Amino acid sequence: AQKITQTQPGMFVQEKEAVTLDCTYDTSDPSYGLFWYKQPSSGEMIFLIYQGSYDQQNATEGRYSLNFQKARKSANLVISASQLGDSAMYFCAMREVAAGNKLTFGGGTRVLVKP
Amino acid sequence: DAGITQSPRHKVTETGTPVTLRCHQTENHRYMYWYRQDPGHGLRLIHYSYGVKDTDKGEVSDGYSVSRSKTEDFLLTLESATSSQTSVYFCAIKAGEGDNYGYTFGSGTRLTVV
Repeated sequence: AQKITQTQPGMFVQEKEAVTLDCTYDTSDPSYGLFWYKQPSSGEMIFLIYQGSYDQQNATEGRYSLNFQKARKSANLVISASQLGDSAMYFCAMREVAAGNKLTFGGGTRVLVKP
Repeated sequence: DAGITQSPRHKVTETGTPVTLRCHQTENHRYMYWYRQDPGHGLRLIHYSYGVKDTDKGEVSDGYSVSRSKTEDFLLTLESATSSQTSVYFCAIKAGEGDNYGYTFGSGTRLTVV
């Protein structure tokens, strides 16, 4: 079974609008962390935001926020006020503490921001 | 950010030859990881290390071996390269022991097996 599922292979968003990228996960480890990374066409992996399994509040980092719904095992990324530079691949990832802190990735979502 | 360097950045090799990729960090972080990235698969874990001489397999470890004789270096070896190992390889480190520490990635190595 997939541990991390990103169901949107690609999506378009209009500049200045918000976009939500879906991520669901599967784990029996009570201690885990959820990450979002951005990969632009240049190829580097850029950390965006982190949510711990015990965090009570949703994480926010500038224009990025993570909609964490623990019971539904979802950790969706919301990008507000999209910019042309947001065009990239976005990966959701999960760390399971009991599994040696391995980071498992979803298949990614490609976002293209239209002017 | 922890300094992390991968070498080489690009390599073309022939089928059946051995290849070693190097990941070097400038800080004494314990956890190091090797991933490969292929279209449609995201990043998949090959091997990881949780200390000197302490390594374990990831989900796609067949055909790969690793070594970590020093904290700062984590080597990935393809004993006999195959065309299916053509990929982009990323090294990552966990930048601290606590749960709130994230993962920093190297710039990647693009390997082509012909």
